[in-house]
Amino acid sequence: GQNIDQPTEMTATEGAIVQINCTYQTSGFNGLFWYQQHAGEAPTFLSYNVLDGLEEKGRFSSFLSRSKGYSYLLLKELQMKDSASYLCAQSQAGTALIFGKGTTLSVSS
Amino acid sequence: DVKVTQSSRYLVKRTGEKVFLECVQDMDHENMFWYRQDPGLGLRLIYFSYDVKMKEKGDIPEGYSVSREKKERFSLILESASTNQTSMYLCASSSGGEDTEAFFGQGTRLTVV
Repeated sequence: GQNIDQPTEMTATEGAIVQINCTYQTSGFNGLFWYQQHAGEAPTFLSYNVLDGLEEKGRFSSFLSRSKGYSYLLLKELQMKDSASYLCAQSQAGTALIFGKGTTLSVSS
Repeated sequence: DVKVTQSSRYLVKRTGEKVFLECVQDMDHENMFWYRQDPGLGLRLIYFSYDVKMKEKGDIPEGYSVSREKKERFSLILESASTNQTSMYLCASSSGGEDTEAFFGQGTRLTVV
């Protein structure tokens, strides 16, 4: 499968801003998904980027640079309930989503 | 409300048993997927299907097979379960092309003893 890299763990405090980075191989790249997964639950869709730039959706934003093979998820005004794993996934023509190993975010008070 | 349902949340099976994991979606989606999720390894694609009776191997198909006889149902089969197949198995479905989000089931935690 494709090599998708994201940090394993991150910590932050309530009210802060955190940026989770993701790098991927550009060969065959179509678009970039971010999913959130709380412990013991199914992943749920957060965002999709296919064009370069920033997509904002409430407290969460996602950025894509196709030429650099780079994306990030930006979480603002962190809340305790944001403690979860954040999964970066690459879509390519003719195949299923390929996921990174996920970033576990811990938010403390 | 969209729904992907996996038949069991928890399963315990013995080494060598044939194991069936069932997944049903009610969204009339063309695409269905099976992943396994392990600590430190993330989600890895086992098999996927773009249509009834069609299947494609993912990154780790060894030891598994799949069946898609109806559009809404995608089954994962462990021909002879082994302890290294102990894992969380996640089914997902999506409509259309590569830019559509996948919806996941709640997962089946399989333990092979």
